[in-house]
Amino acid sequence: EDQVTQSPEALRLQEGESSSLNCSYTVSGLRGLFWYRQDPGKGPEFLFTLYSAGEEKEKERLKATLTKKESFLHITAPKPEDSATYLCAVQAASSNTGKLIFGQGTTLQVKP
Amino acid sequence: GAVVSQHPSWVICKSGTSVKIECRSLDFQATTMFWYRQFPKQSLMLMATSNEGSKATYEQGVEKDKFLINHASLTLSTLTVTSAHPEDSSFYICSARGAGGEELFFGEGSRLTVL
Repeated sequence: EDQVTQSPEALRLQEGESSSLNCSYTVSGLRGLFWYRQDPGKGPEFLFTLYSAGEEKEKERLKATLTKKESFLHITAPKPEDSATYLCAVQAASSNTGKLIFGQGTTLQVKP
Repeated sequence: GAVVSQHPSWVICKSGTSVKIECRSLDFQATTMFWYRQFPKQSLMLMATSNEGSKATYEQGVEKDKFLINHASLTLSTLTVTSAHPEDSSFYICSARGAGGEELFFGEGSRLTVL
């Protein structure tokens, strides 16, 4: 069964304290791995798509990496405005509809 | 990025009534749209996949007669919660994917409260 597990469930950081969020996945062939940011009461906001092991993408203080079993979202010198829930999702190679399987998310709180 | 709009953003209704939520892709044609529901502090659970001009495909455990999905055009999909009950109260989110695109863009979500 295709599955996505994110850890930790919650993370508290001081402003400037870098850290990483983990997304472990099992899927019968990976078509793509997606990272989204979700603010309370809002829909997810697209951050990155990764397609193959070894791929990396960066956007401001965020950097996403991918291996054959997991993905990391590295946050460098976070600011309070980075506080949000970060969702990881995978699309199986067998899916031609774009169906995503989501993890439970990591809720990040960055204190000033 | 592409814009997906949902309406209404929140709705309160009485038990037994039906509620319709609209999802529109504003700047691209969405060949496929997805409907999710999200309970507090939980992740998104896919309810159904809809393709323009055809019947929606529902996930296991989702009642298709209760959650009616219509994808009448390439820019509009609707979700109707029929005979709503308090346990249907949730955050409903749609997402859309254009032809040939791998990325999914999400709407802002619709908060449904059934009294």
